Amino acid sequence: QKEVEQDPGPLSVPEGAIVSLNCTYSNSAFQYFMWYRQYSRKGPELLMYTYSSGNKEDGRFTAQVDKSSKYISLFIRDSQPSDSATYLCAMSEGTGNQFYFGTGTSLTVIP
Amino acid sequence: NAGVTQTPKFRILKIGQSMTLQCTQDMNHNYMYWYRQDPGMGLKLIYYSVGAGITDKGEVPNGYNVSRSTTEDFPLRLELAAPSQTSVYFCASTKPETSTDTQYFGPGTRLTVL
Repeated sequence: QKEVEQDPGPLSVPEGAIVSLNCTYSNSAFQYFMWYRQYSRKGPELLMYTYSSGNKEDGRFTAQVDKSSKYISLFIRDSQPSDSATYLCAMSEGTGNQFYFGTGTSLTVIP
Repeated sequence: NAGVTQTPKFRILKIGQSMTLQCTQDMNHNYMYWYRQDPGMGLKLIYYSVGAGITDKGEVPNGYNVSRSTTEDFPLRLELAAPSQTSVYFCASTKPETSTDTQYFGPGTRLTVL
């Protein structure tokens, strides 16, 4: 069983739609949860960072963590063509510990 | 700050050749990482370092070597290149003492072994 599972998509939505991206994990020791955005032929860049369970909002982006279900989500409201990218979830047990990445979900927002 | 820089951007190697992928960060981060990214496979950790003079293997270290003589630099060495090492290589760094402990990535090196 992989440490982190992520649906690879691809996901295609019209501009303005709400997008939901998800990851599941098996290691209950994970405490730090991240979402990275990766544009084509670029390195991943941090989008959202959450510690433990709960929600975190930043503009059009909301990250949710449900540790009881070992499930994390990223919601994108009012999606824009510029949101077209691959989204990677990542998690770790603690500061300085190894990061475990999902395989990434490819998102296309159609104008 | 330039952040994390990687050279070269692209490289084609023949089977059996060797090369060094360069990685430099100017953020005074003590932790540095090398990943490879294959299509549909996510990021796999090759090697990491928690400080100058200290390195350790990640998930897929075979065929690679690293060194860390300074805080800023973390080169990745490929000896006897094989087609299975065709991939995109990313270097990343972090400073775990900060509150976010996120990894900052370089732009990547796209390597093809023929």
